[in-house]
Amino acid sequence: QSVLTQPPSVSAAPGQKVTISCSGSSSNIGNNYVSWYQQLPGTAPKLLIYDNNKRPSGIPDRFSGSKSGTSATLGITGLQTGDEADYFCGTWDSSLSAVVFGGGTKLTVL
Amino acid sequence: EVQLVQSGGGLIPPGGSLRLSCAASGFTFSSYWMTWVRQAPGKGLEWVASIKQDGSKKYYVDSVKGRFTISRDNAKNSLYLQMNSLRAEDTAVYYCAREHSDILTGYSFAGAFDIWGLGTMVTVSS
Repeated sequence: QSVLTQPPSVSAAPGQKVTISCSGSSSNIGNNYVSWYQQLPGTAPKLLIYDNNKRPSGIPDRFSGSKSGTSATLGITGLQTGDEADYFCGTWDSSLSAVVFGGGTKLTVL
Repeated sequence: EVQLVQSGGGLIPPGGSLRLSCAASGFTFSSYWMTWVRQAPGKGLEWVASIKQDGSKKYYVDSVKGRFTISRDNAKNSLYLQMNSLRAEDTAVYYCAREHSDILTGYSFAGAFDIWGLGTMVTVSS
Protein backbone atom coordinates (compact mmCIF):
# COMPACT_ATOMS: atom_id res chain seq x y z
CA GLN A 1 0.00 0.00 0.00
CA SER A 2 1.73 3.18 -1.21
CA VAL A 3 1.44 6.48 0.62
CA LEU A 4 0.69 8.22 -2.69
CA THR A 5 -2.16 6.90 -4.83
CA GLN A 6 -1.91 6.58 -8.60
CA PRO A 7 -4.19 4.78 -11.08
CA PRO A 8 -2.67 1.42 -12.05
CA SER A 9 -3.01 2.10 -15.75
CA VAL A 10 -4.01 4.66 -18.35
CA SER A 11 -4.18 4.47 -22.12
CA ALA A 12 -4.60 6.75 -25.09
CA ALA A 13 -3.98 6.83 -28.82
CA PRO A 14 -0.85 8.19 -30.48
CA GLY A 15 -0.95 11.97 -30.78
CA GLN A 16 -3.49 12.32 -28.00
CA LYS A 17 -3.08 13.70 -24.47
CA VAL A 18 -3.15 11.77 -21.21
CA THR A 19 -3.07 12.78 -17.57
CA ILE A 20 -1.90 10.74 -14.59
CA SER A 21 -3.03 11.66 -11.10
CA CYS A 22 -1.21 11.32 -7.79
CA SER A 23 -3.13 11.77 -4.56
CA GLY A 24 -1.61 12.27 -1.14
CA SER A 25 -2.12 14.24 2.04
CA SER A 26 -1.08 17.43 3.80
CA SER A 27 2.06 15.77 5.16
CA ASN A 28 3.39 15.01 1.73
CA ILE A 29 2.00 16.55 -1.48
CA GLY A 30 0.14 19.28 0.37
CA ASN A 31 3.31 20.84 1.76
CA ASN A 32 6.18 19.56 -0.36
CA TYR A 33 7.39 19.54 -3.94
CA VAL A 34 6.28 16.74 -6.25
CA SER A 35 8.47 14.93 -8.76
CA TRP A 36 7.55 12.62 -11.61
CA TYR A 37 9.56 9.79 -13.13
CA GLN A 38 9.37 7.71 -16.30
CA GLN A 39 10.66 4.16 -16.20
CA LEU A 40 11.02 2.33 -19.48
CA PRO A 41 11.12 -1.48 -19.25
CA GLY A 42 14.41 -2.76 -17.85
CA THR A 43 15.88 0.68 -17.23
CA ALA A 44 16.44 3.04 -14.33
CA PRO A 45 13.84 5.74 -13.65
CA LYS A 46 14.26 9.10 -15.36
CA LEU A 47 13.31 12.41 -13.75
CA LEU A 48 10.64 14.17 -15.82
CA ILE A 49 9.33 16.85 -13.45
CA TYR A 50 10.58 18.36 -10.19
CA ASP A 51 9.32 21.20 -8.00
CA ASN A 52 5.74 20.35 -9.11
CA ASN A 53 6.07 21.69 -12.64
CA LYS A 54 9.72 22.19 -13.67
CA ARG A 55 11.44 20.10 -16.32
CA PRO A 56 15.11 19.14 -16.12
CA SER A 57 17.24 20.00 -19.09
CA GLY A 58 16.47 17.74 -22.05
CA ILE A 59 12.90 16.86 -21.09
CA PRO A 60 10.51 17.96 -23.87
CA ASP A 61 7.66 20.33 -23.12
CA ARG A 62 5.19 17.57 -24.03
CA PHE A 63 5.57 16.65 -20.37
CA SER A 64 4.01 18.94 -17.78
CA GLY A 65 3.24 18.85 -14.08
CA SER A 66 0.79 20.59 -11.82
CA LYS A 67 -0.28 20.49 -8.19
CA SER A 68 -3.44 21.50 -6.39
CA GLY A 69 -3.88 20.94 -2.68
CA THR A 70 -2.96 17.35 -1.89
CA SER A 71 -3.01 16.09 -5.47
CA ALA A 72 -0.64 16.36 -8.41
CA THR A 73 -1.02 15.61 -12.09
CA LEU A 74 1.37 14.66 -14.87
CA GLY A 75 0.28 15.57 -18.39
CA ILE A 76 1.72 14.16 -21.58
CA THR A 77 0.68 15.58 -24.97
CA GLY A 78 1.41 14.35 -28.46
CA LEU A 79 1.67 10.75 -27.26
CA GLN A 80 4.24 8.53 -28.95
CA THR A 81 4.69 4.79 -28.78
CA GLY A 82 8.01 5.47 -27.10
CA ASP A 83 6.12 6.99 -24.16
CA GLU A 84 4.89 3.55 -23.13
CA ALA A 85 6.36 3.15 -19.68
CA ASP A 86 5.63 3.17 -15.97
CA TYR A 87 5.25 6.60 -14.37
CA PHE A 88 5.81 7.33 -10.71
CA CYS A 89 5.17 10.37 -8.55
CA GLY A 90 7.28 11.10 -5.50
CA THR A 91 7.68 13.64 -2.74
CA TRP A 92 8.94 14.16 0.79
CA ASP A 93 6.62 13.21 3.64
CA SER A 94 7.19 15.50 6.60
CA SER A 95 5.43 13.21 9.10
CA LEU A 96 7.39 10.12 8.08
CA SER A 97 10.66 12.00 7.43
CA ALA A 98 10.91 9.91 4.31
CA VAL A 99 10.61 10.11 0.55
CA VAL A 100 7.42 8.45 -0.62
CA PHE A 101 6.44 7.23 -4.08
CA GLY A 102 3.17 6.39 -5.73
CA GLY A 103 2.54 2.80 -6.76
CA GLY A 104 3.12 3.66 -10.41
CA THR A 105 0.94 3.98 -13.49
CA LYS A 106 1.46 1.94 -16.62
CA LEU A 107 0.86 4.00 -19.75
CA THR A 108 -0.24 2.18 -22.88
CA VAL A 109 -0.23 4.02 -26.19
CA LEU A 110 -2.79 2.17 -28.27
CA GLU B 1 30.04 12.56 -18.38
CA VAL B 2 27.90 12.64 -15.26
CA GLN B 3 27.38 9.09 -14.08
CA LEU B 4 26.96 6.73 -11.16
CA VAL B 5 28.56 3.31 -11.43
CA GLN B 6 27.28 0.68 -9.05
CA SER B 7 28.94 -2.47 -7.77
CA GLY B 8 28.09 -5.17 -5.27
CA GLY B 9 24.89 -7.14 -5.16
CA GLY B 10 24.29 -10.83 -5.70
CA LEU B 11 22.73 -13.81 -3.98
CA ILE B 12 22.89 -13.82 -0.21
CA PRO B 13 21.20 -16.12 2.36
CA PRO B 14 18.71 -14.71 4.88
CA GLY B 15 20.48 -13.11 7.81
CA GLY B 16 23.55 -12.33 5.73
CA SER B 17 25.28 -9.04 5.01
CA LEU B 18 26.20 -7.21 1.84
CA ARG B 19 27.69 -3.83 0.94
CA LEU B 20 26.69 -1.92 -2.16
CA SER B 21 28.92 0.75 -3.67
CA CYS B 22 28.23 3.62 -6.02
CA ALA B 23 31.07 5.57 -7.66
CA ALA B 24 30.27 9.06 -8.90
CA SER B 25 32.00 10.95 -11.69
CA GLY B 26 31.46 14.04 -13.79
CA PHE B 27 30.11 16.23 -10.98
CA THR B 28 31.09 17.57 -7.56
CA PHE B 29 29.94 14.63 -5.46
CA SER B 30 30.40 16.42 -2.15
CA SER B 31 27.81 19.05 -3.13
CA TYR B 32 24.83 16.70 -3.38
CA TRP B 33 22.52 14.70 -1.18
CA MET B 34 22.66 11.06 -2.29
CA THR B 35 20.07 8.32 -2.05
CA TRP B 36 19.38 4.61 -2.41
CA VAL B 37 16.08 3.51 -3.98
CA ARG B 38 15.02 -0.11 -4.49
CA GLN B 39 12.50 -1.90 -6.65
CA ALA B 40 11.31 -5.41 -5.89
CA PRO B 41 10.63 -7.62 -8.94
CA GLY B 42 7.49 -6.41 -10.69
CA LYS B 43 6.84 -3.75 -8.04
CA GLY B 44 7.11 -0.01 -7.69
CA LEU B 45 9.89 2.22 -6.39
CA GLU B 46 10.73 2.29 -2.70
CA TRP B 47 13.04 4.90 -1.20
CA VAL B 48 15.55 3.28 1.15
CA ALA B 49 17.86 5.96 2.56
CA SER B 50 19.38 9.39 1.95
CA ILE B 51 22.52 11.10 3.20
CA LYS B 52 23.45 14.78 3.35
CA GLN B 53 26.44 16.23 1.54
CA ASP B 54 28.77 16.01 4.55
CA GLY B 55 27.23 12.84 5.98
CA SER B 56 25.85 14.66 9.01
CA LYS B 57 22.23 13.72 8.34
CA LYS B 58 20.84 10.36 7.32
CA TYR B 59 17.27 9.21 6.78
CA TYR B 60 15.95 5.66 6.40
CA VAL B 61 12.69 3.96 5.54
CA ASP B 62 11.28 2.28 8.65
CA SER B 63 11.68 -1.25 7.27
CA VAL B 64 15.49 -0.98 7.15
CA LYS B 65 16.21 1.08 10.26
CA GLY B 66 18.74 -0.65 12.46
CA ARG B 67 19.75 -3.06 9.67
CA PHE B 68 21.01 -0.83 6.83
CA THR B 69 23.57 1.97 7.01
CA ILE B 70 24.11 4.59 4.34
CA SER B 71 27.50 6.26 4.19
CA ARG B 72 29.72 8.21 1.83
CA ASP B 73 33.37 8.98 1.24
CA ASN B 74 33.66 12.34 -0.46
CA ALA B 75 37.38 11.91 -0.99
CA LYS B 76 36.63 8.82 -3.06
CA ASN B 77 33.41 10.20 -4.64
CA SER B 78 31.62 7.13 -3.40
CA LEU B 79 28.32 6.20 -1.78
CA TYR B 80 27.72 2.99 0.16
CA LEU B 81 24.87 0.93 1.57
CA GLN B 82 25.79 -1.61 4.23
CA MET B 83 22.98 -4.14 4.52
CA ASN B 84 22.87 -6.49 7.53
CA SER B 85 20.33 -9.05 8.74
CA LEU B 86 18.99 -9.36 5.21
CA ARG B 87 15.49 -10.71 4.70
CA ALA B 88 13.68 -12.19 1.72
CA GLU B 89 11.66 -8.99 1.42
CA ASP B 90 14.87 -7.03 0.80
CA THR B 91 15.17 -8.76 -2.58
CA ALA B 92 15.17 -6.00 -5.17
CA VAL B 93 17.12 -4.00 -7.69
CA TYR B 94 18.94 -1.30 -5.75
CA TYR B 95 19.63 2.04 -7.40
CA CYS B 96 21.87 4.84 -6.19
CA ALA B 97 20.71 8.29 -7.20
CA ARG B 98 21.68 11.94 -6.92
CA GLU B 99 19.20 14.42 -5.49
CA HIS B 100 18.53 17.36 -7.79
CA SER B 101 19.96 20.65 -6.60
CA ASP B 102 19.53 24.19 -7.91
CA ILE B 103 22.87 25.25 -9.36
CA LEU B 104 22.52 28.88 -8.31
CA THR B 105 21.07 28.56 -4.83
CA GLY B 106 22.24 25.10 -3.82
CA TYR B 107 18.67 24.27 -2.75
CA SER B 108 18.13 20.54 -2.80
CA PHE B 109 14.78 19.17 -3.94
CA ALA B 110 13.93 16.27 -1.65
CA GLY B 111 12.51 13.38 -3.63
CA ALA B 112 13.79 14.67 -6.99
CA PHE B 113 16.53 12.34 -8.21
CA ASP B 114 18.12 13.45 -11.44
CA ILE B 115 21.00 11.03 -11.95
CA TRP B 116 20.60 7.27 -11.43
CA GLY B 117 22.91 4.31 -11.48
CA LEU B 118 22.00 1.32 -13.62
CA GLY B 119 20.96 -0.68 -10.59
CA THR B 120 22.25 -3.85 -8.99
CA MET B 121 20.21 -6.92 -8.09
CA VAL B 122 20.19 -8.18 -4.52
CA THR B 123 18.56 -11.57 -4.01
CA VAL B 124 18.04 -12.84 -0.47
CA SER B 125 17.36 -16.55 -0.56
CA SER B 126 18.63 -19.79 0.87
